[in-house]
Amino acid sequence: SQQGEEDPQALSIQEGENATMNCSYKTSINNLQWYRQNSGRGLVHLILIRSNEREKHSGRLRVTLDTSKKSSSLLITASRAADTASYFCATDEAGGDMRFGAGTRLTVKP
Amino acid sequence: DAGITQSPRYKITETGRQVTLMCHQTWSHSYMFWYRQDLGHGLRLIYYSAAADITDKGEVPDGYVVSRSKTENFPLTLESATRSQTSVYFCATGQGALGYTFGSGTRLTVV
Repeated sequence: SQQGEEDPQALSIQEGENATMNCSYKTSINNLQWYRQNSGRGLVHLILIRSNEREKHSGRLRVTLDTSKKSSSLLITASRAADTASYFCATDEAGGDMRFGAGTRLTVKP
Repeated sequence: DAGITQSPRYKITETGRQVTLMCHQTWSHSYMFWYRQDLGHGLRLIYYSAAADITDKGEVPDGYVVSRSKTENFPLTLESATRSQTSVYFCATGQGALGYTFGSGTRLTVV
């Protein structure tokens, strides 16, 4: 079964607002990653957070990880129309495989 | 050019036919993955490989076969295609610590 589950399934905001997406997972992980997918394209790696880290930043992205709650959040600050895409979390498990959630569809209105 | 390439980009095949999707990477990364993406299901792991000659099943391996005789190639074969295998297939590779790189995908239609 899929490991991660993103919430919400869809999110629509105005340009300039912040967007927060959440991910919950079920088993122990080595790390958790967030990916972005533009319509009809492959996935692009955004950020990786290790299981012993609690927060990580990359540009306008901020990721948090709470291993006690088995959850992570992705915050995109000062969103732009170009941020419109689907965002997926993926968990890198001890066995080496990588499992994805169903994704959050983000729409940023100009 | 360095990177990961999938071929073909589009494929239409008939039910019952065997079809092979190709994936090639130029980095010599250890891990390679095959996913299928369907509406409402996100990406589901079909098979993955930790190194040459080592492959493992993912969430939805039935009806698929993989091999990894060389580090750079990870072909996915549908032995007898069914309509339920109509999907977009993505290959990915990486070392884990830096995240993974995905190919552009193969859109497969089984008629």
